[in-house]
Amino acid sequence: ENVLTQSPGTLSLSPGERVTLSCRASQSVSSTYLAWYQAKVGQAPRLLMYGISSRATGIPDRFSGSGSGTDFTLTINRLEPEDFAVYYCQQYGSPPLTFGGGTKVELK
Amino acid sequence: EVQMVESGGDLVQPGESLRLSCAASGFTFSNYVMNWVRRAPGKGLEWVSYIDTSSETIYYADSVKGRFSISRDNAKNSLYLQMNNLRDEDTAVYYCARDWGRSQPRWFFDLWGRGTLVTVSS
Repeated sequence: ENVLTQSPGTLSLSPGERVTLSCRASQSVSSTYLAWYQAKVGQAPRLLMYGISSRATGIPDRFSGSGSGTDFTLTINRLEPEDFAVYYCQQYGSPPLTFGGGTKVELK
Repeated sequence: EVQMVESGGDLVQPGESLRLSCAASGFTFSNYVMNWVRRAPGKGLEWVSYIDTSSETIYYADSVKGRFSISRDNAKNSLYLQMNNLRDEDTAVYYCARDWGRSQPRWFFDLWGRGTLVTVSS
């Protein structure tokens, strides 16, 4: 299976900062089959990005995705208070679909 | 409101069984393929199982194959996960997740529930 490794495990940041989250795959991800999710304790996870760089419905444009092959990035410009959460990447190009271990973005 | 609500999570002993339910509302449930995804404590998300709109095509992760069974009742807008012979490593929050692609799976998920906690411990 295609193992996804996210780094760093935790980021301590302040509102207004720019953050870059990394997702590295053990095998090349087929086509553009990579998604990102945001998860908060006690809430339903939320789809942020799919197809590497397409924003899901209602996702603000401060979120952007990029990358190809085995290296992918989720960027959040100007962190808002509601952005402090755990972020997961997911590949769906080869079965079984797999998720990364997550990066926690916490308030500094 | 478009939402899904899971229920049925509990504390059980190894070897016991549990049935999870997911009640969908605010959208045409029968038009969507569905999945279960779980998150074990301190770990990332893990896909568990898939079912298509007519229950004809079903897939399982290797870790649960032979022990878990997914089903759905479109008349009741509900998704289920029957979990048998539970193990310590099945301890997790279990989420139902709707596929973005409606009746044709795209394998990423645009609607999730809040999850239900399953704890397997003696």
